[in-house]
Amino acid sequence: AQSVAQPEDQVNVAEGNPLTVKCTYSVSGNPYLFWYVQYPNRGLQFLLKYITGDNLVKGSYGFEAEFNKSQTSFHLKKPSALVSDSALYFCAVRDNSGYSTLTFGKGTMLLVSP
Amino acid sequence: DSGVTQTPKHLITATGQRVTLRCSPRSGDLSVYWYQQSLDQGLQFLIQYYNGEERAKGNILERFSAQQFPDLHSELNLSSLELGDSALYFCASSVLGQGRETQYFGPGTRLLVL
Repeated sequence: AQSVAQPEDQVNVAEGNPLTVKCTYSVSGNPYLFWYVQYPNRGLQFLLKYITGDNLVKGSYGFEAEFNKSQTSFHLKKPSALVSDSALYFCAVRDNSGYSTLTFGKGTMLLVSP
Repeated sequence: DSGVTQTPKHLITATGQRVTLRCSPRSGDLSVYWYQQSLDQGLQFLIQYYNGEERAKGNILERFSAQQFPDLHSELNLSSLELGDSALYFCASSVLGQGRETQYFGPGTRLLVL
């Protein structure tokens, strides 16, 4: 069975500082990895995904994520945080066999202070 | 705006009742997914349809059922509602329902069972 762990319920960072939201996964076979963001009372918005190729993936709003196969991680990063980045972030994984379903982590609340 | 629409936005009902949630996928998307988001269970995959046929099933209760119609819109039916069914229900869509595809989420339907 596939799974995703987001070890931090909340990440606090000051505006202008770099941010990292951690994600580790477990899947049989090769993974497809996704990051989504959820603002209050809104649906999930797609940020970026890793399918294959370059381990560093660039996405929306200046976010990027690095796929590390040996550490089974896919941490979300941004060089300079904005107050408007404050939201709930979800990591998700699917394996590449057939039509597996998307499994989400519990989510990490990112709070960026002015 | 993801292009996925869901109605209604909010729904308040009583225990034992039955409700229907509706989802219209993005134009051109053939696959629809339903998810439940609650505080204690997180974001849980319920069921997936592709071009009218059930493709995958997750943690969907027997009291819940879904279908996808020829015009590709989908409905999630929840019956014999219990207090614990109160949650945010999301619909997502993708082109072919394959693992590498991004799922685009609708704004959700917030269900409150009293």
